[in-house]
Amino acid sequence: SQKIEQNSEALNIQEGKTATLTCNYTNYSPAYLQWYRQDPGRGPVFLLLIRENEKEKRKERLKVTFDTTLKQSLFHITASQPADSATYLCALGSGGYQKVTFGTGTKLQVIP
Amino acid sequence: DADVTQTPRNRITKTGKRIMLECSQTKGHDRMYWYRQDPGLGLRLIYYSFDVKDINKGEISDGYSVSRQAQAKFSLSLESAIPNQTALYFCATSGRGPSDEQFFGPGTRLTVL
Repeated sequence: SQKIEQNSEALNIQEGKTATLTCNYTNYSPAYLQWYRQDPGRGPVFLLLIRENEKEKRKERLKVTFDTTLKQSLFHITASQPADSATYLCALGSGGYQKVTFGTGTKLQVIP
Repeated sequence: DADVTQTPRNRITKTGKRIMLECSQTKGHDRMYWYRQDPGLGLRLIYYSFDVKDINKGEISDGYSVSRQAQAKFSLSLESAIPNQTALYFCATSGRGPSDEQFFGPGTRLTVL
């Protein structure tokens, strides 16, 4: 069956460092991958989309990579700030039919 | 005003009661979704609707039903609530593109005693 794995343990990093979050998947050939941010008690908010034919996408301090051979996406936040503390979810989608499957999320804590 | 609203925001009910959660959107999207979120299990799709006449079951639809009253409104019902339906419920919408992002509501925290 399809499986999406995100590190269930919280990631703690020092302010100013680069945070790297991982999304691995098995038994899946996604056409695209999305990353969302979720704050406690609130709905997820979309951050970035990367398609299967793209290796890397950037948006301000955010960078996403997508390696379909390794079946992995990495999500980087450079120059991290305490305001970046949240849970980050990856979501995989198949082309032509817009229904995504979400990972369980990784909680990021940026320490001042 | 929020683009996707959910009512109620919090609800405590008893086993066996019928509960309706409501979702409204002002984004003009055709596609709407209901998810539940549980610790350690992430977001799981309950039902989704690609337009008013197109409603589909998600991965965990047992014990739930939905109604798409209009393009802007999508309701989720628990016919006879049970304790393991205690969770955080989210409504979401998206455009028609195959990779369009989803816009989520603020969530409804449901507790079934």
